[in-house]
Amino acid sequence: EPEVTQTPSHQVTQMGQEVILRCVPISNHLYFYWYRQILGQKVEFLVSFYNNEISEKSEIFDDQFSVERPDGSNFTLKIRSTKLEDSAMYFCASKENQGNQPQHFGDGTRLSIL
Amino acid sequence: GESVGLHLPTLSVQEGDNSIINCAYSNSASDYFIWYKQESGKGPQFIIDIRSNMDKRQGQRVTVLLNKTVKHLSLQIAATQPGDSAVYFCAENDINAGNMLTFGGGTRLMVKP
Repeated sequence: EPEVTQTPSHQVTQMGQEVILRCVPISNHLYFYWYRQILGQKVEFLVSFYNNEISEKSEIFDDQFSVERPDGSNFTLKIRSTKLEDSAMYFCASKENQGNQPQHFGDGTRLSIL
Repeated sequence: GESVGLHLPTLSVQEGDNSIINCAYSNSASDYFIWYKQESGKGPQFIIDIRSNMDKRQGQRVTVLLNKTVKHLSLQIAATQPGDSAVYFCAENDINAGNMLTFGGGTRLMVKP
Protein backbone atom coordinates (compact mmCIF):
# COMPACT_ATOMS: atom_id res chain seq x y z
CA GLU A 1 0.00 0.00 0.00
CA PRO A 2 1.45 3.41 -0.94
CA GLU A 3 2.53 5.54 1.99
CA VAL A 4 3.86 8.95 2.90
CA THR A 5 7.54 8.86 3.79
CA GLN A 6 9.41 11.41 5.88
CA THR A 7 13.10 11.99 6.46
CA PRO A 8 14.94 12.21 8.69
CA SER A 9 13.17 10.35 11.47
CA HIS A 10 15.02 12.44 14.07
CA GLN A 11 16.73 15.81 13.60
CA VAL A 12 18.78 17.50 16.29
CA THR A 13 19.63 21.14 15.61
CA GLN A 14 21.14 24.06 17.49
CA MET A 15 18.81 26.95 18.26
CA GLY A 16 18.99 29.59 15.55
CA GLN A 17 19.94 27.14 12.83
CA GLU A 18 17.88 26.43 9.75
CA VAL A 19 16.29 23.02 9.34
CA ILE A 20 14.57 21.35 6.40
CA LEU A 21 12.18 18.48 6.93
CA ARG A 22 11.45 16.32 3.92
CA CYS A 23 8.39 14.40 2.81
CA VAL A 24 7.49 12.27 -0.16
CA PRO A 25 3.69 12.26 -0.44
CA ILE A 26 1.73 9.44 -2.07
CA SER A 27 2.41 9.73 -5.78
CA ASN A 28 -1.04 10.53 -7.20
CA HIS A 29 -2.00 12.88 -4.37
CA LEU A 30 -2.46 16.57 -5.06
CA TYR A 31 -3.03 18.11 -1.62
CA PHE A 32 -0.24 18.30 0.93
CA TYR A 33 -0.13 19.26 4.58
CA TRP A 34 2.20 19.77 7.50
CA TYR A 35 1.14 19.26 11.11
CA ARG A 36 3.08 19.28 14.34
CA GLN A 37 2.60 17.53 17.67
CA ILE A 38 4.36 18.83 20.75
CA LEU A 39 5.04 16.01 23.20
CA GLY A 40 1.88 15.06 25.07
CA GLN A 41 -0.33 17.44 23.12
CA LYS A 42 -2.69 17.13 20.21
CA VAL A 43 -1.81 17.29 16.56
CA GLU A 44 -1.93 20.89 15.26
CA PHE A 45 -2.36 22.06 11.67
CA LEU A 46 0.44 24.16 10.21
CA VAL A 47 -0.16 24.57 6.49
CA SER A 48 -1.93 23.16 3.45
CA PHE A 49 -0.52 23.29 -0.08
CA TYR A 50 -2.08 22.74 -3.47
CA ASN A 51 -1.08 23.61 -7.03
CA ASN A 52 2.26 24.99 -5.86
CA GLU A 53 0.85 27.46 -3.42
CA ILE A 54 -0.28 27.66 0.17
CA SER A 55 -4.03 27.20 0.61
CA GLU A 56 -4.29 27.78 4.33
CA LYS A 57 -1.90 28.36 7.20
CA SER A 58 -2.30 28.53 10.94
CA GLU A 59 -1.02 31.16 13.37
CA ILE A 60 1.86 28.82 14.17
CA PHE A 61 3.09 29.07 10.58
CA ASP A 62 4.81 32.46 10.87
CA ASP A 63 7.51 34.06 8.73
CA GLN A 64 10.11 31.58 10.01
CA PHE A 65 8.30 28.74 8.23
CA SER A 66 8.12 28.01 4.54
CA VAL A 67 7.09 25.10 2.35
CA GLU A 68 8.18 24.06 -1.08
CA ARG A 69 7.56 21.39 -3.65
CA PRO A 70 10.94 21.50 -5.39
CA ASP A 71 10.17 18.66 -7.80
CA GLY A 72 7.41 16.22 -8.65
CA SER A 73 7.88 14.06 -5.60
CA ASN A 74 9.22 16.00 -2.60
CA PHE A 75 7.43 18.38 -0.24
CA THR A 76 9.58 20.23 2.29
CA LEU A 77 9.09 22.29 5.42
CA LYS A 78 11.81 24.78 6.27
CA ILE A 79 12.24 26.53 9.58
CA ARG A 80 14.61 29.45 9.03
CA SER A 81 15.85 30.16 12.55
CA THR A 82 14.78 27.48 14.98
CA LYS A 83 13.63 28.20 18.52
CA LEU A 84 13.46 25.88 21.50
CA GLU A 85 9.67 25.82 21.25
CA ASP A 86 9.91 24.39 17.72
CA SER A 87 10.83 21.05 19.28
CA ALA A 88 8.04 18.66 18.30
CA MET A 89 7.05 15.83 15.99
CA TYR A 90 6.33 17.13 12.50
CA PHE A 91 3.95 15.14 10.35
CA CYS A 92 3.43 15.41 6.63
CA ALA A 93 0.12 14.31 5.13
CA SER A 94 -1.32 14.06 1.65
CA LYS A 95 -4.72 13.61 0.07
CA GLU A 96 -5.73 12.61 -3.44
CA ASN A 97 -8.26 15.33 -4.20
CA GLN A 98 -10.39 18.04 -2.64
CA GLY A 99 -13.33 15.82 -1.76
CA ASN A 100 -14.10 14.17 1.54
CA GLN A 101 -11.20 11.76 1.73
CA PRO A 102 -8.84 11.00 4.59
CA GLN A 103 -5.43 12.57 4.75
CA HIS A 104 -2.68 9.97 4.93
CA PHE A 105 0.15 10.69 7.34
CA GLY A 106 3.82 9.84 7.43
CA ASP A 107 5.52 8.62 10.58
CA GLY A 108 6.92 12.04 11.32
CA THR A 109 10.24 13.71 12.02
CA ARG A 110 11.15 14.29 15.63
CA LEU A 111 12.78 17.74 15.78
CA SER A 112 14.88 18.48 18.84
CA ILE A 113 16.22 22.00 19.28
CA LEU A 114 19.14 22.39 21.67
CA GLY B 1 -13.76 10.73 26.58
CA GLU B 2 -12.09 13.71 24.93
CA SER B 3 -9.71 16.19 26.45
CA VAL B 4 -7.75 19.26 25.53
CA GLY B 5 -4.29 19.75 26.95
CA LEU B 6 -1.67 17.54 28.51
CA HIS B 7 -3.87 15.03 30.34
CA LEU B 8 -4.71 12.16 28.04
CA PRO B 9 -7.78 10.21 29.17
CA THR B 10 -7.28 6.47 29.25
CA LEU B 11 -9.72 3.70 28.54
CA SER B 12 -8.70 0.29 29.82
CA VAL B 13 -10.59 -2.74 28.53
CA GLN B 14 -10.25 -6.49 28.67
CA GLU B 15 -9.31 -8.31 25.50
CA GLY B 16 -12.45 -9.41 23.71
CA ASP B 17 -14.64 -6.68 25.18
CA ASN B 18 -16.07 -3.83 23.12
CA SER B 19 -14.54 -0.34 23.40
CA ILE B 20 -16.26 2.99 22.99
CA ILE B 21 -14.18 6.14 22.56
CA ASN B 22 -15.94 9.49 22.56
CA CYS B 23 -15.12 12.85 21.03
CA ALA B 24 -16.74 16.27 21.14
CA TYR B 25 -16.10 18.56 18.20
CA SER B 26 -16.46 22.30 18.07
CA ASN B 27 -17.10 23.53 14.52
CA SER B 28 -20.69 23.37 13.28
CA ALA B 29 -19.37 23.89 9.74
CA SER B 30 -17.32 20.69 9.80
CA ASP B 31 -18.63 18.36 7.14
CA TYR B 32 -16.38 15.35 7.43
CA PHE B 33 -14.92 13.47 10.37
CA ILE B 34 -12.12 10.97 10.68
CA TRP B 35 -10.85 8.66 13.39
CA TYR B 36 -7.12 8.07 13.52
CA LYS B 37 -5.08 5.58 15.52
CA GLN B 38 -1.59 6.54 16.63
CA GLU B 39 0.85 3.95 17.91
CA SER B 40 4.02 4.94 19.71
CA GLY B 41 6.58 6.43 17.34
CA LYS B 42 4.20 6.39 14.38
CA GLY B 43 2.05 8.87 12.55
CA PRO B 44 -1.76 8.95 12.71
CA GLN B 45 -3.22 5.99 10.86
CA PHE B 46 -6.64 6.26 9.21
CA ILE B 47 -9.31 3.99 10.72
CA ILE B 48 -12.72 5.15 9.54
CA ASP B 49 -14.45 8.29 8.36
CA ILE B 50 -17.98 9.67 8.16
CA ARG B 51 -19.61 12.50 6.26
CA SER B 52 -21.91 14.95 7.97
CA ASN B 53 -24.96 13.67 6.07
CA MET B 54 -24.64 10.30 7.82
CA ASP B 55 -25.10 9.29 11.44
CA LYS B 56 -23.49 5.86 11.37
CA ARG B 57 -20.84 4.07 9.38
CA GLN B 58 -19.45 0.59 9.88
CA GLY B 59 -16.12 -0.89 8.96
CA GLN B 60 -14.41 -4.09 9.92
CA ARG B 61 -14.79 -4.33 13.73
CA VAL B 62 -15.22 -0.53 13.95
CA THR B 63 -18.29 1.69 13.89
CA VAL B 64 -18.44 5.46 13.97
CA LEU B 65 -21.51 7.30 15.21
CA LEU B 66 -22.13 10.98 14.57
CA ASN B 67 -24.60 13.14 16.49
CA LYS B 68 -24.60 16.57 14.92
CA THR B 69 -27.17 17.95 17.33
CA VAL B 70 -24.74 17.74 20.22
CA LYS B 71 -21.57 17.72 18.10
CA HIS B 72 -20.46 14.32 19.28
CA LEU B 73 -18.61 11.45 17.64
CA SER B 74 -17.92 8.00 18.95
CA LEU B 75 -15.75 5.13 17.82
CA GLN B 76 -16.82 1.64 18.73
CA ILE B 77 -14.33 -1.21 18.46
CA ALA B 78 -15.78 -4.71 18.66
CA ALA B 79 -13.87 -7.58 20.26
CA THR B 80 -10.93 -5.39 21.21
CA GLN B 81 -7.52 -6.96 20.68
CA PRO B 82 -4.08 -6.16 22.19
CA GLY B 83 -3.07 -4.73 18.81
CA ASP B 84 -5.77 -2.08 19.23
CA SER B 85 -3.79 -0.50 22.08
CA ALA B 86 -2.91 3.01 20.92
CA VAL B 87 -3.99 6.65 21.17
CA TYR B 88 -7.14 7.41 19.18
CA PHE B 89 -7.87 10.86 17.79
CA CYS B 90 -10.96 12.22 16.17
CA ALA B 91 -10.44 14.92 13.55
CA GLU B 92 -12.90 17.30 11.96
CA ASN B 93 -12.56 18.71 8.48
CA ASP B 94 -13.83 22.10 7.35
CA ILE B 95 -13.90 22.23 3.56
CA ASN B 96 -14.07 26.03 3.76
CA ALA B 97 -10.72 26.16 5.55
CA GLY B 98 -8.44 24.45 3.03
CA ASN B 99 -9.49 21.02 4.26
CA MET B 100 -7.33 21.43 7.33
CA LEU B 101 -7.97 18.85 10.01
CA THR B 102 -8.65 19.92 13.59
CA PHE B 103 -7.70 17.14 15.96
CA GLY B 104 -9.16 16.33 19.34
CA GLY B 105 -6.92 15.69 22.32
CA GLY B 106 -6.91 11.90 22.00
CA THR B 107 -7.82 8.94 24.16
CA ARG B 108 -5.36 6.21 25.11
CA LEU B 109 -6.82 2.72 24.75
CA MET B 110 -5.14 0.01 26.78
CA VAL B 111 -6.18 -3.58 26.16
CA LYS B 112 -5.49 -6.07 28.91
CA PRO B 113 -4.84 -9.64 27.72
